[in-house]
Amino acid sequence: DVKVTQSSRYLVKRTGEKVFLECVQDMDHENMFWYRQDPGLGLRLIYFSYDVKMKEKGDIPEGYSVSREKKERFSLILESASTNQTSMYLCASSLGQGKSGNTIYFGEGSWLTVV
Amino acid sequence: RKEVEQDPGPFNVPEGATVAFNCTYSNSASQSFFWYRQDCRKEPKLLMSVYSSGNEDGRFTAQLNRASQYISLLIRDSKLSDSATYLCVVPNDYKLSFGAGTTVTVRA
Repeated sequence: DVKVTQSSRYLVKRTGEKVFLECVQDMDHENMFWYRQDPGLGLRLIYFSYDVKMKEKGDIPEGYSVSREKKERFSLILESASTNQTSMYLCASSLGQGKSGNTIYFGEGSWLTVV
Repeated sequence: RKEVEQDPGPFNVPEGATVAFNCTYSNSASQSFFWYRQDCRKEPKLLMSVYSSGNEDGRFTAQLNRASQYISLLIRDSKLSDSATYLCVVPNDYKLSFGAGTTVTVRA
């Protein structure tokens, strides 16, 4: 079975703190993604990676960075958390190019509250 | 124009009813499409893929209209467990464009 694991499910952080959200997939997928989901706004892409050490900005990269040192792990970093980054963060992965390769699998989500 | 647009609903239907809703997309080159189901405070999960004119899986039918650039999802014989938000997803190169979702509530 496909498995995308987000180790931190619920976090409360203070404004200005550095926050790490970790994501691991066990399917040998090439592509990995970080989204945030907010009411009324749907899912918005923050960053994605299509290979180890590769990263591409999504639609809302400001205030975030990512790291992909190993194929199975994709980390999202909030350098200095702010209250407008309070959200649910979803990690996802997909196999790669091609029809079936575009099927995306999500982790269970990380609920971040910045106070 | 947004890349993917959905009627947010909510669609409130009685058990056993049929409910259908659409998703419009802007990229005419898109070749594949997906419907995901998302329960409250849970992650989205794949419901159905659409690669040609349509797809059917039990009570769920997805249809693709390339000329008008929309995908529809139809749920027959609605169950209480079908209550969820349904997300339309359109791939674009490495990225995926998500609709904001259509909320369906099935009542007893």
